[in-house]
Amino acid sequence: ILNVEQSPQSLHVQEGDSTNFTCSFPSSNFYALHWYRWETAKSPEALFVMTLNGDEKKKGRISATLNTKEGYSYLYIKGSQPEDSATYLCALSNSGYALNFGKGTSLLVTP
Amino acid sequence: DGGITQSPKYLFRKEGQNVTLSCEQNLNHDAMYWYRQDPGQGLRLIYYSQIVNDFQKGDIAEGYSVSREKKESFPLTVTSAQKNPTAFYLCAILGNTEAFFGQGTRLTVV
Repeated sequence: ILNVEQSPQSLHVQEGDSTNFTCSFPSSNFYALHWYRWETAKSPEALFVMTLNGDEKKKGRISATLNTKEGYSYLYIKGSQPEDSATYLCALSNSGYALNFGKGTSLLVTP
Repeated sequence: DGGITQSPKYLFRKEGQNVTLSCEQNLNHDAMYWYRQDPGQGLRLIYYSQIVNDFQKGDIAEGYSVSREKKESFPLTVTSAQKNPTAFYLCAILGNTEAFFGQGTRLTVV
């Protein structure tokens, strides 16, 4: 079982604030770490996939880092906008093709 | 139109009945997954399949069954043994790097 913990469970910020969430895992025995964004009434959408310690990925105002030695990944959103409101999911995949998700962080950005 | 198709979108089942949820893909990917979402629980893995005629149990497989007779199809049967089947069910495939998801099926036991 690939254990994935996410924090905080929910977050409420004002438009323009920058924010970050954490995905933690007890073991580095996985193939890749994934971040997904899940908006209400839509399917989850991939943001980043990272495999190497020290990986940093960026897409617009959103970026992510991976630290496999200390067992965490951070997702950052710079200058949050109302359209960033969604649930952000972290997942681990292993070489056996299992793909396990955390419970997610629900973000609400208000104008 | 390419992608993953789940059907139906909404499903009602009488207590004690089996029901099958459909998941079809035309992206030619090998790995397919079924997840269940309950409020506050995130996505929990029910079953997954790497190749045709092979599948593995996930974390919450009890009360569910699957088959993988074709690469394109991975149906999930919710059996009467599943004690609390009311939930949102999501099918996914794993591409080269990322997962792609269907639109989901909301199952309600009445």
